[in-house]
Amino acid sequence: KAGVTQTPRYLIKTRGQQVTLSCSPISGHRSVSWYQQTPGQGLQFLFEYFSETQRNKGNFPGRFSGRQFSNSRSEMNVSTLELGDSALYLCASSRGGGNYGYTFGSGTRLTVV
Amino acid sequence: QQQVKQSPQSLIVQKGGISIINCAYENTAFDYFPWYQQFPGKGPALLIAIRPDVSEKKEGRFTISFNKSAKQFSLHIMDSQPGDSATYFCAASEPSGTYKYIFGTGTRLKVLA
Repeated sequence: KAGVTQTPRYLIKTRGQQVTLSCSPISGHRSVSWYQQTPGQGLQFLFEYFSETQRNKGNFPGRFSGRQFSNSRSEMNVSTLELGDSALYLCASSRGGGNYGYTFGSGTRLTVV
Repeated sequence: QQQVKQSPQSLIVQKGGISIINCAYENTAFDYFPWYQQFPGKGPALLIAIRPDVSEKKEGRFTISFNKSAKQFSLHIMDSQPGDSATYFCAASEPSGTYKYIFGTGTRLKVLA
């Protein structure tokens, strides 16, 4: 079956701009989580959605937001981009949550210049 | 209390040898412990996972050993192969209801041919 699909794979944005990243989970998976991966901070939890509801949010500023649609597809948005937002953004899906094991996509590599 | 400490940071093993990666945690409420394997340019892939009521789990060449009293768990890769060269992350899932993984900082494994 198809895995977790993230688009686009690569993005280059300028400071101050905003960006929207997209994630299509595995069919039947209703939980979608987002993580930021950087060499310095590693993998850090951004937020998790289930049935269009945000169930948990990590320690990121309000510039980071997300949403989930009725078909479980999810988007995350980062407004007023800063250089430090350059990272690999990973989406992961699961049937119901962490204890089912998350399957990750290949990520979107965001570069802010 | 929310950290997962992973060691070593990097590891070089001869082909056919045993690779051992260790993780330690503080929060006794963690209830699911997955290991992920990540190749360059890819997202993390779930390798094997264990729950705290089990002391060992084996899948093929990969084994998790779990020591609840010491709050430590480790990944053993038997008969290590050059194709196992990747970065490995341990993680711990916060208790049900929070839907979030805390990741270790990663171990870069290189298996020499």
